[in-house]
Amino acid sequence: NAGVTQTPKFQVLKTGQSMTLQCAQDMNHEYMSWYRQDPGMGLRLIHYSVGAGITDQGEVPNGYNVSRSTTEDFPLRLLSAAPSQTSVYFCASSQTEYNSPLHFGNGTRLTVT
Amino acid sequence: GQQVMQIPQYQHVQEGEDFTTYCNSSTTLSNIQWYKQRPGGHPVFLIQLVKSGEVKKQKRLTFQFGEAKKNSSLHITATQTTDVGTYFCAGQGKFYFGSGTKLNVKP
Repeated sequence: NAGVTQTPKFQVLKTGQSMTLQCAQDMNHEYMSWYRQDPGMGLRLIHYSVGAGITDQGEVPNGYNVSRSTTEDFPLRLLSAAPSQTSVYFCASSQTEYNSPLHFGNGTRLTVT
Repeated sequence: GQQVMQIPQYQHVQEGEDFTTYCNSSTTLSNIQWYKQRPGGHPVFLIQLVKSGEVKKQKRLTFQFGEAKKNSSLHITATQTTDVGTYFCAGQGKFYFGSGTKLNVKP
């Protein structure tokens, strides 16, 4: 059972470039979410989805897009990378939006120069 | 908007000492979850508290949810080097994470 799989593990982008961070889960979880983690800031929610075809914004959505065409996949798109987006990104899933634990992927360390 | 504040930000203890981290919310929470992140790793779920005044134990770890459901604490008795990491609380459906308490344990 793979759980939550994130790719890539590391990425370096130049300002203005775009890219997609991939996230897939094999637990048939309805809820999926993306967080960014910066030193001293904890985990901040970027976007989340409560099921296929449904997405919503979290605390820090600007500069990011998501889609949820299947239950398994929840990619995060950076439209035009900025140095402020240098961070560690975690994808997480849970059975339901409330009252169930989050299962995290191993993270993607992104550097924007 | 709603925020979950966590203190302290850092804690250095000698192995065998106790450790406590506190989580405070400006509004009532429906539930609170606790996670542990080892250095270089990803957060791992520890426990969820739902009821007012709830206390749960996992070996040396004791979790409490306040009577007003606005605060929570995690207490570790007799820390070990394996307890090293950052402890996060998360409120209201995982939407709001605290900033975490980084625990360092000196052997």
